[in-house]
Amino acid sequence: NAGVTQTPKFRVLKTGQSMTLLCAQDMNHEYMYWYRQDPGMGLRLIHYSVGEGTTAKGEVPDGYNVSRLKKQNFLLGLESAAPSQTSVYFCASIGYPGRPGRAGNTIYFGEGSWLTVV
Amino acid sequence: GENVEQHPSTLSVQEGDSAVIKCTYSDSASNYFPWYKQELGKRPQLIIDIRSNVGEKKDQRIAVTLNKTAKHFSLHITETQPEDSAVYFCAASSTGNTPLVFGKGTRLSVIA
Repeated sequence: NAGVTQTPKFRVLKTGQSMTLLCAQDMNHEYMYWYRQDPGMGLRLIHYSVGEGTTAKGEVPDGYNVSRLKKQNFLLGLESAAPSQTSVYFCASIGYPGRPGRAGNTIYFGEGSWLTVV
Repeated sequence: GENVEQHPSTLSVQEGDSAVIKCTYSDSASNYFPWYKQELGKRPQLIIDIRSNVGEKKDQRIAVTLNKTAKHFSLHITETQPEDSAVYFCAASSTGNTPLVFGKGTRLSVIA
């Protein structure tokens, strides 16, 4: 059981280049999230999905796009990378966040993807 | 939307002493409050959580208290050890479709 897997783990991009981060979960979770983590800023939500085929904007969505074509995968795209997007990106998933007391309420994080834009 | 404030941003304690980290939240609909520990280069790990129908929860040296009226919750670590050194995050969400909103983190250093 791999849990939540992110690829790639490390990447260096030049300004203006594009790339896609892949998040895959094998727990049949409905909800998936992309957060970015910057020093002193905590984790900030970029986009999220409440099920296959759905996406929604989070706190800091500008410059990013996402897709959830398959339930197990949540892709984060940078169309034209900027130095301000240098960050650590965490994907996370959760089973049924609306049901207190169930094990599915626990959020599972991937190991993170370190992205540097030069 | 929800806003979570966390204090202090850094905290140094002597080994064996207690550490307290406090968070406030803005959305009265929030009713799930987890705490995460993140070691350098690693993913956040859930260490304890509390739901709004409970005022306090304890797990060995870690405890969390919740005051819904004042909209604040706190993490208490007793008998701190060097391995407790890490960044700790609080978070809040409601039971609807709202994702977790995180505080900015507290860097705890336990000095041996």
